[in-house]
Amino acid sequence: EIVLTQSPATLSLSPGERATLSCRASQSVSSYLAWYQQKPGQAPRLLIYDASNRATGIPARFSGSGSGTDFTLTISSLEPEDFAVYYCQQRSNWPPDFTFGPGTKVDIK
Amino acid sequence: QVTLRESGPALVKPTQTLTLTCTFSGFSLSTSGMCVSWIRQPPGKALEWLALIDWDDDKYYSTSLKTRLTISKDTSKNQVVLTMTNMDPVDTATYYCARMGGAAAAFDYWGQGTLVTVSS
Repeated sequence: EIVLTQSPATLSLSPGERATLSCRASQSVSSYLAWYQQKPGQAPRLLIYDASNRATGIPARFSGSGSGTDFTLTISSLEPEDFAVYYCQQRSNWPPDFTFGPGTKVDIK
Repeated sequence: QVTLRESGPALVKPTQTLTLTCTFSGFSLSTSGMCVSWIRQPPGKALEWLALIDWDDDKYYSTSLKTRLTISKDTSKNQVVLTMTNMDPVDTATYYCARMGGAAAAFDYWGQGTLVTVSS
């Protein structure tokens, strides 16, 4: 099973600052890496799929990069509504299997 | 628009079987490339993928839980059902159903989730 690790566990920043979140896979996942945002009491929301593609309706301040085992989610300038937990997720090709990372909490400094 | 909604018991006893239903609209699970998954999240913890069923009725399960899970679909009712046997308090979680559509290996639409507590 492919294991995802996320760092840091918590990121304390102020509105307007740049956030850089990391996700590392225990083996190559090619570009099958997605990012989700989750706020308390809500379902996760897809932000980025296939490592670098923004999902429908996601603001341009969210961007994803990476391939293989190392991936990054960047929020260029934090808005108040961006303070949340972010998860990465990978899909193994065959047999289909999915794992999520432990999450990074972005909170207000 | 695409919507998904989970339904099922809020409380089950240890050793019982849990049955959850995902009722969806805005897409057809008979369309090539469409899939529906179940994912759970224990309180305060991370997400865990459980199972997936695709348009061709192929089924895939989490390696660690596959002996306890069964996923099925009723295309005419736009429903996907998950059963989990031998429930234990550690299975207490919010259970989500989510759609995977098209070529992207990601869950683009989610239900609001249903909290299932396992307790005697």
